[in-house]
Amino acid sequence: EVQLVESGGLVVQPGGSLRLSCVASGFSFDNYTMHWVRLIPGQGLEWVSLISWNGGHTHYADSVRGRFTISRDNNKNSLHLQMDSLRTEDTALYYCTKDASRGAVAYFDHWGQGTQVTVSS
Amino acid sequence: IVMTQSPLSLSVTPGEPASISCRSSQSLLDTNGYNYLNWYLQKPGQSPQLLIYLGSNRAPGVPDRFSGSGSGTDFTLKISRVEAEDVGVYYCMQALQIALTFGGGTKVEIK
Repeated sequence: EVQLVESGGLVVQPGGSLRLSCVASGFSFDNYTMHWVRLIPGQGLEWVSLISWNGGHTHYADSVRGRFTISRDNNKNSLHLQMDSLRTEDTALYYCTKDASRGAVAYFDHWGQGTQVTVSS
Repeated sequence: IVMTQSPLSLSVTPGEPASISCRSSQSLLDTNGYNYLNWYLQKPGQSPQLLIYLGSNRAPGVPDRFSGSGSGTDFTLKISRVEAEDVGVYYCMQALQIALTFGGGTKVEIK
């Protein structure tokens, strides 16, 4: 059974930093593209970032580019999101998602339970 | 690519059909013949779940009362007979172009 377990969400002040993690199990983690997606209160879902199976390719939403960094450790089946220069508008429930595609991007076939990030003074 | 869903909300009598529209600002039909349009449902208190992928393919375990259709820029999610467990927010999402983008969501409730 595929499992994605996120952690690291906290209440942080504007301008602060946070590192989210996602531990995966139940599939060959190093074969798949992985994503972070967030649920913004009152706005809906927003794709945040993706990383290819070997970490060689990363992409970001315009809203987070230059502030967030996605990474993965295939030896530990883990995905990370380093979030710097946090803004109040980054407040959201952050989901780790697995892409169904081995080499590209197609659709998210599994989601974690989410970790809450609140940016507030 | 901008994704536009309608309606914003839907109130449906159990057993009746429901339909949600999703339009994209650019064609989602790839040269490989697939439409990179997916549908997700977020039930209250749960993580989103995949319903339909690549335009018209039901995800494993999804009841056959759900169907996806359309091509290019116009897509539709249909529920043939709504059940109480179908309440939640439905999202379409395009995966043809990075940045991936979602529609604004359609909230479905039961009358």
